[in-house]
Amino acid sequence: EIVLTQSPGTLSLSPGERATLSCRASQSVSSSYLAWYQQKPGQAPRLLIYGASNRATGIPDRFSGSGSGTDFTLTINRLEPEDFAVYYCQQYGSSAWTFGQGTKVEIK
Amino acid sequence: EVQLVESGGGLVQPGGSLRLSCAASGFTFSSYWMSWVRQAPGKGLEWVANIKEDGSEKYYVDSVKGRFTISRDNAKNSLFLEMNSLRAEDTAVYYCARGYKYAYYWGQGTRVTVSS
Repeated sequence: EIVLTQSPGTLSLSPGERATLSCRASQSVSSSYLAWYQQKPGQAPRLLIYGASNRATGIPDRFSGSGSGTDFTLTINRLEPEDFAVYYCQQYGSSAWTFGQGTKVEIK
Repeated sequence: EVQLVESGGGLVQPGGSLRLSCAASGFTFSSYWMSWVRQAPGKGLEWVANIKEDGSEKYYVDSVKGRFTISRDNAKNSLFLEMNSLRAEDTAVYYCARGYKYAYYWGQGTRVTVSS
């Protein structure tokens, strides 16, 4: 089973700053199978990025994904107030999904 | 508009059973893999099970194998999760999700509490 480790656990930033979130896999992951989600309190997760770098429908272009192999990154440029949330990476492999433990982006 | 609406959650005693349902609309249900993902209180996301478009393939996380069964009724655009021998650690919000490699759409979840 591939384990995804996200860092940092919490990121304290101000609106307008850039957020850089890391997702490291215990084994190589196909870029096609790496996704990022945003979750706000009391809400279901929302797909942001799929295939490591493709934005889902309706996702602003301040969100971008990159990476390959075992290291993937979600970047949020110019944080907006609505971007403060928890972010999860997820990979597909052997007919199963695994999620990272999440990174909380909080207002500094 | 794609909609996934879960139901069937509630309070159940340890060792009990529960059947969750997910009603899908706004897309051709029979053309998509479907999954259940759960989230324990204050914790992260955990994939539980998924099922192929025609129901011929099903996969489960190790912790629920032999206790949970995923199924679907394509004629009724519905996904199900039969949960038996429930444990306290199964307490979570259970989400229905559409997708094969990732979850493009999610329902709002149904809460399951296992407690005496």
